[in-house]
Amino acid sequence: GAVVSQHPSWVICKSGTSVKIECRSLDFQATTMFWYRQFPKQSLMLMATSNEGSKATYEQGVEKDKFLINHASLTLSTLTVTSAHPEDSSFYICSASWGGHTGTDTQYFGPGTRLTVL
Amino acid sequence: GNSVTQMEGPVTLSEEAFLTINCTYTATGYPSLFWYVQYPGEGLQLLLKATKADDKGSNKGFEATYRKETTSFHLEKGSVQVSDSAVYFCALITASKLTFGTGTRLQVTL
Repeated sequence: GAVVSQHPSWVICKSGTSVKIECRSLDFQATTMFWYRQFPKQSLMLMATSNEGSKATYEQGVEKDKFLINHASLTLSTLTVTSAHPEDSSFYICSASWGGHTGTDTQYFGPGTRLTVL
Repeated sequence: GNSVTQMEGPVTLSEEAFLTINCTYTATGYPSLFWYVQYPGEGLQLLLKATKADDKGSNKGFEATYRKETTSFHLEKGSVQVSDSAVYFCALITASKLTFGTGTRLQVTL
């Protein structure tokens, strides 16, 4: 149980284009989804938290207009990297949790999406 | 603010050796503690967790005990295998926000 998928697993795009990454909870309803970015050999950096039907909450330093997050249903969240540039190349990972009442709920992670911007 | 400190890697061990990866934390409130594992090219997988003091999480031969008095959550395994080679992240969560350590790379050789 608690499987999270991401699509695509890798994507290469030209500078200036937009890329959409999907995150799905396959066997549970995720009240909250999270988007992280991981640089090579470094830890995960939380970008934003999204609750179904609400606007995402972005971490300090993350550009809201560049990284658009939509959480339209309890099983799907999308991250759109707008006008991508080479410095946006990274490993993007989503996670999902349910409950949310205690604030200590386990997050289950997707396999990640490697974005390369040429 | 919250923080997690892990021992720096890489850690290189021979197969069947004993593993300890140290993890200490600072946090407000009462966090839950986690160990996640990341295999090459993959996302994070939950390895084990503990939600309160003195809880022991265990999975796949790995164990970690939530020590509130020393604010630690050290990961141990009695006999590692080559397949355990990965990056291990210690993490805590409060108010739905995960804070990760920097990760410790484990390399197990034959």
